[in-house]
Amino acid sequence: DAGITQSPRHKVTETGTPVTLRCHQTENHRYMYWYRQDPGHGLRLIHYSYGVKDTDKGEVSDGYSVSRSKTEDFLLTLESATSSQTSVYFCAISTGEDTQYFGPGTRLTVL
Amino acid sequence: SQQGEEDPQALSIQEGENATMNCSYKTSINNLQWYRQNSGRGLVHLILIRSNEREKHSGRLRVTLDTSKKSSSLLITASRAADTASYFCATVAMNRDDKIIFGKGTRLHILP
Repeated sequence: DAGITQSPRHKVTETGTPVTLRCHQTENHRYMYWYRQDPGHGLRLIHYSYGVKDTDKGEVSDGYSVSRSKTEDFLLTLESATSSQTSVYFCAISTGEDTQYFGPGTRLTVL
Repeated sequence: SQQGEEDPQALSIQEGENATMNCSYKTSINNLQWYRQNSGRGLVHLILIRSNEREKHSGRLRVTLDTSKKSSSLLITASRAADTASYFCATVAMNRDDKIIFGKGTRLHILP
């Protein structure tokens, strides 16, 4: 998976709890992305980063925040998880030449 | 939205046959890409075609792009069981706003 890891790979949590997902890359790529994948919706962009401390919102950013303090790490935080945030979350990286490389995904269940 | 829409949503063919998937999009693009996703895995980049290109090949894959119709097709020749996966088209806007927009995918099932 092109030097990208995601942790945890699976998580079950309860409504109202905070959750942080981590994406780590060893490729030194500038761009990092967080997507969620749901049946019937395909892949939707949550937030992305174009450099350390530089982030922007995607299509479905409500309820999510991100941080990137180092090139290699991009964190996705659900401040107060809701059942609608049950999904599979993918991190991706790119050099800016448009091709994206995806991590293995994190399956999050919010009860 | 410039989201790509794949057609068909699902496709089942016999091993050895050719599989064709189509993608339509709404606004001007810089490039269009195709990705594959095996069950339970992340997406894998297959091929990228730029707006000034009409056709591109990679192994058993052939991609065409018709910017006048805002559509693309992915042809997989001589399909194999290992080609069973979901296939997504993704577009990058002409203004290159750093985002790729993915379609909802075509589920391809290769029958033995």
